[in-house]
Amino acid sequence: DAKTTQPPSMDCAEGRAANLPCNHSTISGNEYVYWYRQIHSQGPQYIIHGLKNNETNEMASLIITEDRKSSTLILPHATLRDTAVYYCIVRGFTGGGNKLTFGTGTQLKVEL
Amino acid sequence: SAVISQKPSRDICQRGTSLTIQCQVDSQVTMMFWYRQQPGQSLTLIATANQGSEATYESGFVIDKFPISRPNLTFSTLTVSNMSPEDSSIYLCSVAEGASTDTQYFGPGTRLTVL
Repeated sequence: DAKTTQPPSMDCAEGRAANLPCNHSTISGNEYVYWYRQIHSQGPQYIIHGLKNNETNEMASLIITEDRKSSTLILPHATLRDTAVYYCIVRGFTGGGNKLTFGTGTQLKVEL
Repeated sequence: SAVISQKPSRDICQRGTSLTIQCQVDSQVTMMFWYRQQPGQSLTLIATANQGSEATYESGFVIDKFPISRPNLTFSTLTVSNMSPEDSSIYLCSVAEGASTDTQYFGPGTRLTVL
């Protein structure tokens, strides 16, 4: 699976959009981009995933660049409860099957 | 998505002892996994729990240290054997409901402290 690079930390004001970047320059054509978050040592929570098109659900939006070498997770109106570590994971389905490889993630801190 | 529970939620154990962690899912799932998260670190996959056969372990993890059972499609156990303080971690199970391409969902985790 392709390696990802994320900033170690970000701050965001409550009510503002939080834009979390992820670089995955070695991604291959059949690999998906997944986002999870982990709130203070709880189990990771699935947020969203995509292949090449932008995706939106009730939690967030995922914007993938046309060359697929980077993506951005957008939390449109961040709240204090969105404070968490956010993991960007690039995942293929050959060889490793369903395996998720977690990096170090981005610690997002939402403040008043 | 499936509802996943783990028991115990936390435990404090003495070195040299063993602890068995249970993972229960409220629906049948094809794939179950066990992860470890050491203090201040990210998650690392220990093994894939295969129903009716031996688990598939990742590099650096062995069956003698982390024996795994999966007797059916809704339940799995992970045992941490002959514990040392270095085994202090959060242990998490995750499931994928259907095909290998399905999204993984995680349980709440078991926080283990070894003295």
